Amino acid sequence: QSALTQPASVSGSPGQSITISCTRTNSDVGGFNAVSWYQQVPGKAPKLLIYAVSSRPSGVSSRFSGSKSGNTASLTISGLQAEDEATFYCSSYSNSDTLVLFGGGTWLTVL
Amino acid sequence: QVQLVQSGDEVKKPGSSVKVSCTVSGGSFSSFALNWVRQAPGQGPEWMGGIIPFFGSPKFPQRFQDRVTFTTDESTSTAYMELRSLTPEDSAFYYCARGGSGTFWHYFDYWGQGTRVTVSS
Repeated sequence: QSALTQPASVSGSPGQSITISCTRTNSDVGGFNAVSWYQQVPGKAPKLLIYAVSSRPSGVSSRFSGSKSGNTASLTISGLQAEDEATFYCSSYSNSDTLVLFGGGTWLTVL
Repeated sequence: QVQLVQSGDEVKKPGSSVKVSCTVSGGSFSSFALNWVRQAPGQGPEWMGGIIPFFGSPKFPQRFQDRVTFTTDESTSTAYMELRSLTPEDSAFYYCARGGSGTFWHYFDYWGQGTRVTVSS
């Protein structure tokens, strides 16, 4: 069982916006500005989309944005495109024994 | 361009060990964290630990403490992860992932292609 809680799936039509949530406790998501988001297409390694809650690595589209409120972090994808269809994972630094936690993943379907 | 290239897929018997390599090119080898992440089929990733300059020593969750060893060969810019006492539950894709420098060590910006490890009798 994964440590961070994400919805199993979300869907949206091209051009729409969707938001994926990631929730746990104030020992991880809520306690640090240390949340990241990854996109994984089948058969490939994850790709870093967002780090430090809301920062984007160079080369990542501005359609991807991150935020956090309390113990819940969120990834928003605006202007959905067919190529966005993938599984999205959140990750957070934790002050527990396991320093890095991941979520179980959210499958995005672009209708 | 930073690239991480891992060793090939492995099939192992229960109770045996596996050693996966990860060769880094196109960037500094020792300045950045080198983490290991595994992912069982249909599951989320799981951080196994890594060699993290920020801490000055390898880090890993206690659940792997007795079974995992991380090493590096700076002459070849290669990192290794050895996992011992394998069980079928260790069957997964194993990835090396470069972390950022300093306090950004837990953001994984470059990944290897993955090594499939299958544990079966």
